[in-house]
Amino acid sequence: EIVLTQSPDTLSLSPGERATMSCRASENVRISYLAWYQQKPGQAPRLLIYGASSRATGIPDRFSGSGSGTDFTLTISRLEPEDFAVYYCQQYGSSPLTFGPGTKVDI
Amino acid sequence: QVLLQESGPGLIKPSETLSLSCTVSSGSISGYYWSWIRQPPGKDLEWIGNIYYSGDTKFNPSLKSRVTLSVDTSKNQFSLNLSAVTSADTAVYYCARIIWGLYMDVWGKGTTVTVSS
Repeated sequence: EIVLTQSPDTLSLSPGERATMSCRASENVRISYLAWYQQKPGQAPRLLIYGASSRATGIPDRFSGSGSGTDFTLTISRLEPEDFAVYYCQQYGSSPLTFGPGTKVDI
Repeated sequence: QVLLQESGPGLIKPSETLSLSCTVSSGSISGYYWSWIRQPPGKDLEWIGNIYYSGDTKFNPSLKSRVTLSVDTSKNQFSLNLSAVTSADTAVYYCARIIWGLYMDVWGKGTTVTVSS
């Protein structure tokens, strides 16, 4: 199975700053089949990005994804107060589907 | 906007079978894949398996021997059965719509299941 590693574990930033986080796969994720989710405490995850770089419906353009192969990045260009959450990557290029351990963005 | 709602017991005993249902509202279950995911306390999200509205299934090999998925299109529901549970199965269980069996675009709010005697 493909193991996903996310870094850093925690990003301590302020509103208005840029957040950049990484997701690294233990082997190539075929066709850039990688998604990003946002999860706030007590809530379900919300899809942000699929196909490594396509924003899901209703997701603001301050969220962007990039990468291919084994290295992927999620960038939040200017943090809004509601963006402080945990971000997970998920690969769907091979079975079983797997998730990374998450990066927490906090103030 | 499709809404998903999990339902089932919040507490079950070791060795019993966990049964959860997910009701799909404001949309049809037909034509889509549906998924179960869980998150043990303080741990990563874990994909359990997918079911197509026609009944085709795919499972995480780590759980395959204990998991049964079913779908009832007349009720717009799909269900998860997990047998022989242990404390390691204590988790928040989510149902989700999964696009082409790949990534989850709509999630339920999740239901907490505790395995304890």
